[in-house]
Amino acid sequence: QKEVEQNSGPLSVPEGAIASLNCTYSDRGSQSFFWYRQYSGKSPELIMFIYSNGDKEDGRFTAQLNKASQYVSLLIRDSQPSDSATYLCAPSRGGKLIFGQGTELSVKP
Amino acid sequence: EAGVTQFPSHSVIEKGQTVTLRCDPISGHDNLYWYRRVMGKEIKFLLHFVKESKQDESGMPNNRFLAERTGGTYSTLKVQPAELEDSGVYFCASSQPGTSYEQYFGPGTRLTVT
Repeated sequence: QKEVEQNSGPLSVPEGAIASLNCTYSDRGSQSFFWYRQYSGKSPELIMFIYSNGDKEDGRFTAQLNKASQYVSLLIRDSQPSDSATYLCAPSRGGKLIFGQGTELSVKP
Repeated sequence: EAGVTQFPSHSVIEKGQTVTLRCDPISGHDNLYWYRRVMGKEIKFLLHFVKESKQDESGMPNNRFLAERTGGTYSTLKVQPAELEDSGVYFCASSQPGTSYEQYFGPGTRLTVT
C-alpha cells in the first residue's frame, strides 16, 4: 500500500464547475497537509495547507481534513481552464513531505 | 523576494561521471529540502537540512549521493559516480524555521545519465 493514494485521473470537469480531488494517507503521525499544483514540466506550486480537522477556505479553493478517516480533499470552485494541471497531495511529518502520484485535472472550456 | 533557485536547469552526463547540483533557498529560510522525481514515479524526499545540519537524510538512496550545506546558505547535491537510475528531476525546497511551514520549490534540475 502506498503512503499517499490519489486517483491518477484524468478528472475532467467543465469550466465553472466544482472539481473535487481526494487523497488518503497511511501515516497517522502526519501533522500538516499540503496541496500543490504542478503544470507539465514545471515545479510544484503551493496552493494551500491545512492542519486541523474541518474545512479551510482560500479564495476558490477549500481544503478538507478528516484525520480519523485519514482523508484530505481539495475542492476547486468555478474551475477555469488555467486550473488544468496535476494536483499533488502531500502530508508532512517533521517537515518531510510525502507525495502522492497526483491527480490530473482537465477543465474544459 | 527571490524564490528558490537551482543550477543547472539541465544536465546530461555519462554513466560513471560526477555531477553537482546547486540550490539557493529563499533568504532567511533555515530549512532546505532535496526531493527527486524519477520517470513515472511520485516525488520522493531525499534529505532535510536545518541551517548547516542534516536533520533527516533517510531518503538518500545510497552513498553515491552527498549533500552539503556549508554555512547554512546554499546547498549542493553531488552524485558520484552517476548511474542510469539516477536520471530524473531533482527539486530543492525551502521553508521558514520550524517544521510546520509551507515549502517553496525551486524549478528543478533535470538530470539525464546516459
